[in-house]
Amino acid sequence: KAGVTQTPRYLIKTRGQQVTLSCSPISGHRSVSWYQQTPGQGLQFLFEYFSETQRNKGNFPGRFSGRQFSNSRSEMNVSTLELGDSALYLCASSSRGTVGGSTEAFFGQGTRLTVV
Amino acid sequence: AQSVAQPEDQVNVAEGNPLTVKCTYSVSGNPYLFWYVQYPNRGLQFLLKYITGDNLVKGSYGFEAEFNKSQTSFHLKKPSALVSDSALYFCAVRGPTGGGNKLTFGTGTQLKVEL
Repeated sequence: KAGVTQTPRYLIKTRGQQVTLSCSPISGHRSVSWYQQTPGQGLQFLFEYFSETQRNKGNFPGRFSGRQFSNSRSEMNVSTLELGDSALYLCASSSRGTVGGSTEAFFGQGTRLTVV
Repeated sequence: AQSVAQPEDQVNVAEGNPLTVKCTYSVSGNPYLFWYVQYPNRGLQFLLKYITGDNLVKGSYGFEAEFNKSQTSFHLKKPSALVSDSALYFCAVRGPTGGGNKLTFGTGTQLKVEL
């Protein structure tokens, strides 16, 4: 079974620009969550999508948004980028919530976003 | 609100010696607890979980963890450390109901195994 795939792996953007990151979950997983990892703040939850609906949201400004498609692939968008948005963005997929699903989440390798 | 504490930023251990990485948690109700490992420039890799049942859970690569409800702890252990175990370890908690699949992570513990 293929794992969680995040694209692109690396990205350099300029302040004020916007960026879209993509995540393809493990086949059959309907839950996709996004996390931001920085040296100062650690791992912070951004939001979770399940069957195309956002069902949980972390404490991030409205510049951070996401969506999920009918095939469970998810995208997150950050508008008006700030230097502080530089981070590793991790996507996690889970089968919890589906019949016979399990509880653990599986992570992709992340997208390293650098804002200059 | 749920929270996780990993009191040690770094743990150093000699290869062949046992290792322990500490984790304490706070959550309403019975917790779902997880350990993940992260190698440089990589995502998080699932090691093991506690949902219910035996307090000692076994996971990947010879790791195990001991759940202690009275001390609200979930320490990660391995009987004999390897140099290749050197990595960043995260403890995470999720509440049993509500909150979807949101995980709350500790700050991470850097494990360094030396020859």
